[in-house]
Amino acid sequence: GAVVSQHPSWVICKSGTSVKIECRSLDFQATTMFWYRQFPKQSLMLMATSNEGSKATYEQGVEKDKFLINHASLTLSTLTVTSAHPEDSSFYICSARDPTSGPSFETQYFGPGTRLLVL
Amino acid sequence: GQNIDQPTEMTATEGAIVQINCTYQTSGFNGLFWYQQHAGEAPTFLSYNVLDGLEEKGRFSSFLSRSKGYSYLLLKELQMKDSASYLCALMDSNYQLIWGAGTKLIIKP
Repeated sequence: GAVVSQHPSWVICKSGTSVKIECRSLDFQATTMFWYRQFPKQSLMLMATSNEGSKATYEQGVEKDKFLINHASLTLSTLTVTSAHPEDSSFYICSARDPTSGPSFETQYFGPGTRLLVL
Repeated sequence: GQNIDQPTEMTATEGAIVQINCTYQTSGFNGLFWYQQHAGEAPTFLSYNVLDGLEEKGRFSSFLSRSKGYSYLLLKELQMKDSASYLCALMDSNYQLIWGAGTKLIIKP
């Protein structure tokens, strides 16, 4: 149980275009999902917390208008990187809480990640 | 504020035992997680401690001392596939995860 998928796993785009990344909880309902960014050889950086049916909560320094998050259902959250630039190239990872499994209802299960390369 | 410290890199030999330490300072505590992350992949959950003591799960064990702000992950009978980064993450009073920078573990034959 507690499987999280992400799509696409790889994306290469031109500067100025928008990219949408999907995060799905496959076998559970996730009222809360998280979006992280990770640069090479660095730790995870939380970008935002996504709550189903409400606005996402963004971390300090993360631009809301650039990183649009939509959590329209209990199994799907999307992150759209708008007007992407080369500095947005990174590894984007989502996670979800499954309150019905794990040693803690706060345990986060991660998707496989999406590598974004902006040319 | 909160702070988490763990060594940047460790090296161990196949078949041996290694202990990865994590120390933290926090005003509120709701548990400590360990995750494994292979290069180029997302983290996978290893363990969760909220009470003092040792949690054993196969070759991996995790220990917590809340009074000392200290945890460790113990890996026994090391295998080459254990080469990865190990992330310590603290859950604060707001149930937010505070991530350590990770310890890169290198296993040598």
